[in-house]
Amino acid sequence: QKEVEQNSGPLSVPEGAIASLNCTYSDRGSQSFFWYRQYSGKSPELIMFIYSNGDKEDGRFTAQLNKASQYVSLLIRDSQPSDSATYLCAADTGFQKLVFGTGTRLLVSP
Amino acid sequence: GAGVSQSPRYKVAKRGQDVALRCDPISGHVSLFWYQQALGQGPEFLTYFQNEAQLDKSGLPSDRFFAERPEGSVSTLKIQRTQQEDSAVYLCASSLAGGPYEQFFGPGTRLTVL
Repeated sequence: QKEVEQNSGPLSVPEGAIASLNCTYSDRGSQSFFWYRQYSGKSPELIMFIYSNGDKEDGRFTAQLNKASQYVSLLIRDSQPSDSATYLCAADTGFQKLVFGTGTRLLVSP
Repeated sequence: GAGVSQSPRYKVAKRGQDVALRCDPISGHVSLFWYQQALGQGPEFLTYFQNEAQLDKSGLPSDRFFAERPEGSVSTLKIQRTQQEDSAVYLCASSLAGGPYEQFFGPGTRLTVL
């Protein structure tokens, strides 16, 4: 079992809808969680990180963390075709060492 | 300022050759990381430096892999006697020290071993 699990997708949503991306992790010692976006052939870029239980909002993006359930999610409101990419969930297991999931491919159709 | 840069961007090596991949982190970033990303997978941690000290090399897949950062800035990842399974994108990232700071990724080096 991988330490960070994501559904590989693709997750298809129409333009303007809410996209919900999910991630579970196995290491209860993980303190911080990161969502990265990676366009095909490009390097990952950070969308947001979260380390407290609850919700954290940044523009159209909301990250949610539930440490009891070992569950992290990312909601993208008003999805745009430009949001089509692979979304990587990562857990910081200590000393900033990130463990990534395999990523979920999101497709937003016009 | 400039982001993380990596060179070469693409490298083709014959099986058995040695390769060296270079990373220039963002100026002032203390922490530097190397990741390996296979096609369709997320990045896999290889090693981590804080300044010139290699604090974690638990992800290096074999003793053919070696990384250094002698002056605490530029880093080189060396792979000796390359094998086909080494084919991947090698990503370098840098960050400020401590806390859940953002790791900024470079564009990566795509290594193909024939």
